[in-house]
Amino acid sequence: DAMVIQNPRYQVTQFGKPVTLSCSQTLNHNVMYWYQQKSSQAPKLLFHYYDKDFNNEADTPDNFQSRRPNTSFCFLDIRSPGLGDAAMYLCATSRSGTVYNEQFFGPGTRLTVL
Amino acid sequence: GENVEQHPSTLSVQEGDSAVIKCTYSDSASNYFPWYKQELGKGPQLIIDIRSNVGEKKDQRIAVTLNKTAKHFSLHITETQPEDSAVYFCAASRGGGADGLTFGKGTHLIIQP
Repeated sequence: DAMVIQNPRYQVTQFGKPVTLSCSQTLNHNVMYWYQQKSSQAPKLLFHYYDKDFNNEADTPDNFQSRRPNTSFCFLDIRSPGLGDAAMYLCATSRSGTVYNEQFFGPGTRLTVL
Repeated sequence: GENVEQHPSTLSVQEGDSAVIKCTYSDSASNYFPWYKQELGKGPQLIIDIRSNVGEKKDQRIAVTLNKTAKHFSLHITETQPEDSAVYFCAASRGGGADGLTFGKGTHLIIQP
């Protein structure tokens, strides 16, 4: 089945220690998104890749970076995690060129910062 | 930017009864309105969506209505079952290119046996 895969599902890191979360997709979608979801809150868009073009949301902290080496993979790098970065990180994909922006989500990576 | 309001934040209904969740949006350019179900520890799962050229859509026990003039849309679940218990999010998007979704704050639906 075509899907969005996130690894690891659970990640524990120390305060200030860089961490990388990964997302892969078999849907062959050209747009990939990263959302942050804190406990009991709605998902909030951090940034997205439209093909190779990176699009950052205005209020996304500089501490968050992303890489997309190819169509299938996308990484979220947190350079110096703080306690406030503990959250579920969700990857989603969509296909541009359609009139409506249907997005498919992965299962998420829950990040704990000690 | 878009702002999506969702009510109620918690909804408790008896098994077999209907549940209704309401959302309003602010951006008149939004044209795509999905609903996601999220179970504990999992990613959001798309359950139904509605597009701006349609006023109502139904899929078995789930229906969604859209009022573009009033900028609100609603999710209706009939004959609720225990497995319907989850957090439900509405969202809005301009669609087309690659706009991210703007989510409401979610509704925790509790089905009482």
